[in-house]
Amino acid sequence: DTGVSQDPRHKITKRGQNVTFRCDPISEHNRLYWYRQTLGQGPEFLTYFQNEAQLEKSRLLSDRFSAERPKGSFSTLEIQRTEQGDSAMYLCASSLVSNPQQYFGPGTRLTVT
Amino acid sequence: GQNIDQPTEMTATEGAIVQINCTYQTSGFNGLFWYQQHAGEAPTFLSYNVLDGLEEKGRFSSFLSRSKGYSYLLLKELQMKDSASYLCAVTNAGKSTFGDGTTLTVKP
Repeated sequence: DTGVSQDPRHKITKRGQNVTFRCDPISEHNRLYWYRQTLGQGPEFLTYFQNEAQLEKSRLLSDRFSAERPKGSFSTLEIQRTEQGDSAMYLCASSLVSNPQQYFGPGTRLTVT
Repeated sequence: GQNIDQPTEMTATEGAIVQINCTYQTSGFNGLFWYQQHAGEAPTFLSYNVLDGLEEKGRFSSFLSRSKGYSYLLLKELQMKDSASYLCAVTNAGKSTFGDGTTLTVKP
């Protein structure tokens, strides 16, 4: 078990472009979470999955954001038509349903120019 | 909704004890986490409180009072490596809501 991994670690994109991030959770974990974090703030909840089902999505999340976990294993987060305000660290975490402790990946730092 | 408050910054001396407070107002509550986050890194788990009382784990202890909506993280025998941000997070129905963190600076 190598922990939660995320790819890429860094992404620089121009405003208006689409970006997609990938998260591979700890293999036996059935819950997967996406957060966004900006400097000086705590992680902001975006969405989470239990197996392949997306159970909750933040009301603050615009419809430019979409996440999938098609086979209940890895997940992708896509941002369409990126804006400068999307620049942030995007964190993925995973856990077991029976144990809410979340293990975080190293994050993907997005810079929108 | 969820509202979580922590002090923004704290400073303490190496070898001392520091207490970081967290107050919360939430529409639901399953438990409260404390995470440590070094600059540029992901949060790492420190403690999880479900019931009232004190949980001790080495140099770190965490306390919870559900009736008061209050928790604290106690760090003993501070080391320079403890300089980091400490995040309080309330979990409810699978979702965790984080405070903005307390940046602790440990000075020699």
